[in-house]
Parts: sequence; structure tokens; C-alpha cells
Amino acid sequence: QSVLTQPPSASGTPGQRVTISCSGSSSNIGSNTVNWYQQLPGTAPKLRIYSNNQRPSGVPDRFSGSKSGTSASLAISGVQSEDEADYYCAAWDDSLNGWVFGGGTKLTVL
Amino acid sequence: EVQLVESGGGLVKSGGSLRLSCAASGFTFSTYTMNWVRQAPGKGLEWVSSIGDSSSSIYYADSVKGRFTISRDNARDSLYLQMNSLRAEDTAVYYCARAYSTRGAFDIWGLGTMVTVSS
Repeated sequence: QSVLTQPPSASGTPGQRVTISCSGSSSNIGSNTVNWYQQLPGTAPKLRIYSNNQRPSGVPDRFSGSKSGTSASLAISGVQSEDEADYYCAAWDDSLNGWVFGGGTKLTVL
Repeated sequence: EVQLVESGGGLVKSGGSLRLSCAASGFTFSTYTMNWVRQAPGKGLEWVSSIGDSSSSIYYADSVKGRFTISRDNARDSLYLQMNSLRAEDTAVYYCARAYSTRGAFDIWGLGTMVTVSS
């Protein structure tokens, strides 16, 4: 069982807005920022959102993030076929003194 | 080009040891926190260990504490993971990843190296 909870799957048609949720607790999301990673099939993860809502250079602005209390969300506006991948949320956990990840959400673009 | 390249993976018997390496290039290695993250076949990501830029801060996941040792050599731009008392559940792709600080996001990842522990 992952410390952070994500839905196992999400889907959308091209052009739709898709959101992926990430639920945690006061020791992780509640007190630290959230990062989101994208993992395309057979490749290493890539950072898509850091510090809750910041996009690294080169990441399309259709990717956005938000956080409220002990939950966070990743939104993809105008989803494209190339966005089909696994997405993971992560946060530092003050109780565990380490990083915790969500179980991952497989995004399918129909 | 900013790059991380892992090596040292392979097949090892349960109870055995393995040492992973991660070679960094294209950035000032000594100013970044470095991490190991693993992914078991068909499973999600699991953080393993972190080491601060001067090795003064080191953290481990409970699942590897007492068995794995993280270290770095800033003169060689290299990160290491000494893995002892290996178990079948340690079978995974091991990635090294860069971060600006202990609580910073992992902004650069290597391609990974596969470790298989046979029982």
C-alpha cells in the first residue's frame, strides 16, 4: 500500500481536461509540497510539476498542479495522445523522514 | 548535456551483495542532493535513499535501512549504492535522480539499471 493514494487509472479523449488526484496526510502533503512525475512506457520518469504548481522549463502549459490541505491534483488541459503515460505524485514525509510516492495513475487517451 | 548514467546492476543470489554506481555529467555534481529510486517489475516508484551535497545528510527508506549504504565521491562526480543482504523483493530497476535539496523535486533522472535477486 502506498502512503499517497492515487486512482489506478484515468482516461480522456483528445482535447479533454483530465485530472488526477493524490491524497495524503498531515505529515506529507499537509506539510510539504507535492511533485508530479510522468513515466512514458519503458522510459525513466520525468518531472512535470514541482512545488505543487510549478512547471519546469520545457513542460507544456497544459500541465498544471494544485494542492489543498492533504490532497493535490494534476490537471492536463487539452490532453494529447502523447500524454498517455503513468503519473506519480510524491511528497516528503516528516514522520518517515523520507520521500513517499503515490501508487501511480495510468492515463489512457482514448 | 546534463546526464546521469547508472551501472552495476545484474543477477545476484538472495543474501548477496551488489554495488550500483551513477556517473553524473553536465552539471556541478557537488552542489546537488542525490537520490536512489527503484521500481519493481510492473510496480510503482519507491524512494530508496538520499544523500546531501556534502554527505552530511543521509536518509533511507525503512525497507532498506541497515542493508543499503548510499555514498558519493564529488571528486569523481559519482553516486553509489552498496546493497547487502539482498532479498527477492529488492528486484527492481534502480534509478539515480538529482535534486536541488533534500526536499527538492527530482529534476533529472538516469535511465536506470536492473537488479535481479534470485531466491
